[in-house]
Amino acid sequence: QSVLTQPPSASGTPGQRVTISCSGSSSNIGSNYVYWYQQLPGTAPKLLIYRNNQRPSGVPDRFSGSKSGTSASLAISGLRSEDEADYYCAAWDDSLSGGVFGGGTKLTVL
Amino acid sequence: QVQLVESGGGLVKPGGSLRLSCAASGFTFSDYYMSWIRQAPGKGLEWVSYISSSGSTIYYADSVKGRFTISRDNAKNSLYLQMNSLRAEDTAVYYCARPGEWGMATIYFDYWGQGTLVTVSS
Repeated sequence: QSVLTQPPSASGTPGQRVTISCSGSSSNIGSNYVYWYQQLPGTAPKLLIYRNNQRPSGVPDRFSGSKSGTSASLAISGLRSEDEADYYCAAWDDSLSGGVFGGGTKLTVL
Repeated sequence: QVQLVESGGGLVKPGGSLRLSCAASGFTFSDYYMSWIRQAPGKGLEWVSYISSSGSTIYYADSVKGRFTISRDNAKNSLYLQMNSLRAEDTAVYYCARPGEWGMATIYFDYWGQGTLVTVSS
C-alpha cells in the first residue's frame, strides 16, 4: 500500500485531455514539492514534472502539473498514442525522512 | 552526458547475497546524494536507500533495513548496494538514480540507470 494514492488506471482517446490524481497527507504533498515520472513499457522512469509544475527541457507543454493542499494532479492534453505509459507521483515525506511514490497509474490511449 | 550503468544483478537463492554496482559518468559524482530505487515485476516504484555525498548520511526503507548496505567510492565514481539475507520479495529491477539537485536528499531524480534485475528464487 503506497503512501501516495493514485488511481490504478486512466484512459482517453487521441486528442483528449486526461488528468491523473495523487493524494497524500500533510507530511508529504502538503508540505513538499510533488514530482511526476513517466515510465514507458520496458524502460526506466523518466522525470516529467518537478517542483509541482515545472517541466524539464524536452518535455512537451501538453504535460502540466498542479498541487492543492494534500493533493496533486498531472494533466495531459492533446493525448497521443505515445503517451501510453505508467505515471508515478512522488514527494518527500517529512515523517519518514524519505521519499515516497504513488502506486502508479496505467494510462491507456484508446 | 550523464550516464548511470548498473551491474551485478542475477539469480540468487533465498538467504543469499548479491552486490550491485552503479558506474556514474558525465557529472561530478562526489557532489550528489545517490539513491537505489527498485521495482518488483508488474509493481510500482520503491525507494530503497540513499547515501549522502560523503557517505555520512544514509537512509534505508524499512523493508530492507538491517539486510542491505549502501556505499559509494567517490574516487571510482561508483555506487554500491550490498544485499544480504535476500527474500523472494526482493525480486525486482534495481535502478540507481541521480537527483536533480546536488547536496541534498530528494525524491527529484533527473537521471536513472537502465536497471539491473535481481531474482530471488530457489
